[in-house]
Amino acid sequence: GQSLEQPSEVTAVEGAIVQINCTYQTSGFYGLSWYQQHDGGAPTFLSYNALDGLEETGRFSSFLSRSDSYGYLLLQELQMKDSASYFCAVLSNDYKLSFGAGTTVTVRA
Amino acid sequence: ETGVTQSPTHLIKTRGQQVTLRCSSQSGHNTVSWYQQALGQGPQFIFQYYREEENGRGNFPPRFSGLQFPNYSSELNVNALELDDSALYLCASSLVLWGANNEQFFGPGTRLTVL
Repeated sequence: GQSLEQPSEVTAVEGAIVQINCTYQTSGFYGLSWYQQHDGGAPTFLSYNALDGLEETGRFSSFLSRSDSYGYLLLQELQMKDSASYFCAVLSNDYKLSFGAGTTVTVRA
Repeated sequence: ETGVTQSPTHLIKTRGQQVTLRCSSQSGHNTVSWYQQALGQGPQFIFQYYREEENGRGNFPPRFSGLQFPNYSSELNVNALELDDSALYLCASSLVLWGANNEQFFGPGTRLTVL
């Protein structure tokens, strides 16, 4: 099976940088995804890493180390609208996407 | 907006009843997955359909079943409802089974309450 660990809550001020770590244990690892979900909304795709290294998409970056079974999502220049839950999710080679419990990010003025 | 729609938005059922939830994927998306999200938790994978065949299933009992239709719509059926089935049910579609980024497009969900 799969298990993922990520912090439950992070609080930061506008303009700050936040890093959300994700460690996983899985069989048949294929890739690591990140999703954002606002209260009452649907999860929306942020990024995907299949290979080691950093992927940058605007203010958000995602990193993967397959040998360490570890990844992180970096949120830069935080804005109030970034207050949401962030989920790491492991894609395994049996077509399953397994989500972590989520990290609630609260951005304060 | 992801172009994925779900109906109904909210639903209240009693224990032991059966329910059917519906999802309409983006046109051209051959893959649809269904998830159960309890309050304060991450989505839990129920199953995935590719070209109308189930090709992956999570740890859910057989009373959770699904169908995918050629017109990019799908449904999730749950029999013999239990109180613990109360959750947000999400469907997500993707263009291909394996893609460059494996992005899934989620619908807004159906909030099911079992009394």
